[in-house]
Amino acid sequence: QQQVKQSPQSLIVQKGGISIINCAYENTAFDYFPWYQQFPGKGPALLIAIRPDVSEKKEGRFTISFNKSAKQFSLHIMDSQPGDSATYFCAAHPGETSGSRLTFGEGTQLTVNP
Amino acid sequence: DAGITQSPRHKVTETGTPVTLRCHQTENHRYMYWYRQDPGHGLRLIHYSYGVKDTDKGEVSDGYSVSRSKTEDFLLTLESATSSQTSVYFCAINGLAGGNEQFFGPGTRLTVL
Repeated sequence: QQQVKQSPQSLIVQKGGISIINCAYENTAFDYFPWYQQFPGKGPALLIAIRPDVSEKKEGRFTISFNKSAKQFSLHIMDSQPGDSATYFCAAHPGETSGSRLTFGEGTQLTVNP
Repeated sequence: DAGITQSPRHKVTETGTPVTLRCHQTENHRYMYWYRQDPGHGLRLIHYSYGVKDTDKGEVSDGYSVSRSKTEDFLLTLESATSSQTSVYFCAINGLAGGNEQFFGPGTRLTVL
């Protein structure tokens, strides 16, 4: 049962454009929402994360927008670069203390054309 | 990769054979996880461990077992490999250092013929 829905599956953006990836969740107990970036042949790496007490978090060109009432959050990549081409995963933490388990979205393959 | 190694990195095996994947960490972190990654499914949790000899099932645990006899090692075993277990397997650790960040290993690509 997929508790975090991610879209789109793939995204092609021109260099300098804005990349937007969306995620939606059902479980209102989720209390931590990270985004992971994965390059081919590598493990995922934490990119940026947000907690539900804020609506936006920005780190450089990467911004998370969080809408608690809609149970949605999104990743915005400003001034997208070819080096940003990777697979991006959203995730959510269930708020339980046992195991700190994360539930991941299905992933978005981003291609930034030069 | 935050002091996490996985071995082997690649393996090809036959249906019905047992397979063991190893995850080794040098960070002394309490929590360790095994995920599988498949196109269209993202990362799915197989099993996790919250201490030596303390393990629990994830969402796709059927056909897999795990063991953790030392803090630094977390083993994933496929008792009798099937073609549906062809996947990329990732180990992760969690330090709970003020957040819920997980650090991932480099992955093991397993092909079951």
